[in-house]
Amino acid sequence: GDSVTQMEGPVTLSEEAFLTINCTYTATGYPSLFWYVQYPGEGLQLLLKATKADDKGSNKGFEATYRKETTSFHLEKGSVQVSDSAVYFCALSVLNTGTASKLTFGTGTRLQVTL
Amino acid sequence: GAVVSQHPSRVICKSGTSVKIECRSLDFQATTMFWYRQFPKQSLMLMATSNEGSKATYEQGVEKDKFLINHASLTLSTLTVTSAHPEDSSFYICSAMRLAGVQETQYFGPGTRLLVL
Repeated sequence: GDSVTQMEGPVTLSEEAFLTINCTYTATGYPSLFWYVQYPGEGLQLLLKATKADDKGSNKGFEATYRKETTSFHLEKGSVQVSDSAVYFCALSVLNTGTASKLTFGTGTRLQVTL
Repeated sequence: GAVVSQHPSRVICKSGTSVKIECRSLDFQATTMFWYRQFPKQSLMLMATSNEGSKATYEQGVEKDKFLINHASLTLSTLTVTSAHPEDSSFYICSAMRLAGVQETQYFGPGTRLLVL
């Protein structure tokens, strides 16, 4: 079945440090890949997505590139801020004919950014 | 952007009562919505897929008689937790599927925290 593996957290960084959160996947078919962010006490917000190989999703300084050869979608940011502290979820969905595509989530990676 | 709301954001109820949670897509129509449950510091667990005008599809292990789902319109799905018990206390999150051509993207509501006393 489909699955997403994320690096375990928590990840603790100082402000302005470089961030990488690893994500790899296994899927049947050709998945779309997503990063969602969850701030404390809130629901998930779509951060970025990529729908085909070599696509790069980007938003708010975050980037992730869909790497089919390594089945990866690592999240990166060049300079993190305290306000980036949250839980980040990698997810995939595979387009199904006739039924809605379900999201398969990774376990989430908690990021803590300190001054 | 695509906005999904949930109501209420927090609810406290007594054991044995029923609680209804609403999920609305505010600026797009959603034939499909999803209901998730999230335990503290864990990922989201898909409970069911809510289909407008038809019965919901429940994931294995989710009691359909306990978690009633109604998707009466293209912008509203409701989850009713019937005869709630303390173990039902959790963070419930809905999402709505937005179609753009053949691309599907789920947009999530802010979640509802349920506490059953």
